[in-house]
Amino acid sequence: KAGVTQTPRYLIKTRGQQVTLSCSPISGHRSVSWYQQTPGQGLQFLFEYFSETQRNKGNFPGRFSGRQFSNSRSEMNVSTLELGDSALYLCASSWADPNTGELFFGEGSRLTVL
Amino acid sequence: QKEVEQNSGPLSVPEGAIASLNCTYSDRGSQSFFWYRQYSGKSPELIMSIYSNGDKEDGRFTAQLNKASQYVSLLIRDSQPSDSATYLCAVIGSSYKLIFGSGTRLLVRP
Repeated sequence: KAGVTQTPRYLIKTRGQQVTLSCSPISGHRSVSWYQQTPGQGLQFLFEYFSETQRNKGNFPGRFSGRQFSNSRSEMNVSTLELGDSALYLCASSWADPNTGELFFGEGSRLTVL
Repeated sequence: QKEVEQNSGPLSVPEGAIASLNCTYSDRGSQSFFWYRQYSGKSPELIMSIYSNGDKEDGRFTAQLNKASQYVSLLIRDSQPSDSATYLCAVIGSSYKLIFGSGTRLLVRP
């Protein structure tokens, strides 16, 4: 069974640009959550989608957005990139309810903003 | 105050010893608690969950929960060098979000 797949794995952008990250959940999983991981802040919750609807959102500015498609694949977008957006962005999927706590994480997309 | 707090470590223990990892949380409405393990350069993986006060054992791992003190811990018995990793405490609070602590780095010395 394939795991959570995130693309691209690595990317370099400059300030002011935008970026789109993609996540394909485990087959059959309908919930996708996104986290930002930095050395100083640890794992911070961005948002969670279920059946194409955003069910929960973290405390990030509106530059961070996401969506989920009918096949449960998800994308997140960061516009007007800032240096502080450099981080590992992790996607995690679960069967239906991430409140069970059992999330399956992808390998992440490492974003560097210059 | 952070919602989930952990000592960043590193916590260094000799092989065969008990490693004790601690976590405190601020939301008294929290009901679900988890420990994830993250090896360097890898993504987190769930190793333990606990929902009620007391101890829960799974192999060499024991999770302990004290809701009155808002405290969760993870004990690793007979620590092995392969246990060297960052351990993340995660809590589902009244906002229904899974919130992670910043993790404790564990180093098991051979």
